[in-house]
Amino acid sequence: GAGVSQSPSNKVTEKGKDVELRCDPISGHTALYWYRQSLGQGLEFLIYFQGNSAPDKSGLPSDRFSAERTGGSVSTLTIQRTQQEDSAVYLCASSLNPRDSYGYTFGSGTRLTVV
Amino acid sequence: QKEVEQNSGPLSVPEGAIASLNCTYSDRGSQSFFWYRQYSGKSPELIMSIYSNGDKEDGRFTAQLNKASQYVSLLIRDSQPSDSATYLCAVNRDDKIIFGKGTRLHILP
Repeated sequence: GAGVSQSPSNKVTEKGKDVELRCDPISGHTALYWYRQSLGQGLEFLIYFQGNSAPDKSGLPSDRFSAERTGGSVSTLTIQRTQQEDSAVYLCASSLNPRDSYGYTFGSGTRLTVV
Repeated sequence: QKEVEQNSGPLSVPEGAIASLNCTYSDRGSQSFFWYRQYSGKSPELIMSIYSNGDKEDGRFTAQLNKASQYVSLLIRDSQPSDSATYLCAVNRDDKIIFGKGTRLHILP
């Protein structure tokens, strides 16, 4: 596609429920990243996928968070047993390769609210 | 020590003046440096990247890098109200980019 697509754009969920967030990267981009941005805060790295390599999960805040990337394209971030502190904007980005001189292209994000 | 540090601001600059945004980073191995602009409620967008010591100019924007001092800056000349946004400094670590918390810039009409 022309840009990075994320869905849903907004999600309100009850505490304790599971949620899935979807990211469709730019066609041909091999690297895909998930970040989280809490209100008034910077971007917190969560997880990174590159081609068929094992993902870099070093930023996932707890074992309630997981992500997968199918067929080297679409990625799903899953948060189990959501907590109020999970409320944030979840941003997905993709790049042609990890050392892309042009940095990342971000999607418009999913705003998650846990009530 | 935080990996990427920025003054959170707000930085208020009169319209037409030069806005100067600063950033320091901790990883001496970093090779790529970026400035992103983020409008309220929107996603970050890349405005400048720099890889070598010195200055890099693009229109009204100039990025400056000093690896010895681990310092990156962004100058915005002839500041416009549309430049009011949060500016995120970002630095590569391994194959990912680490962001600072951003500096809020407010251009006074």
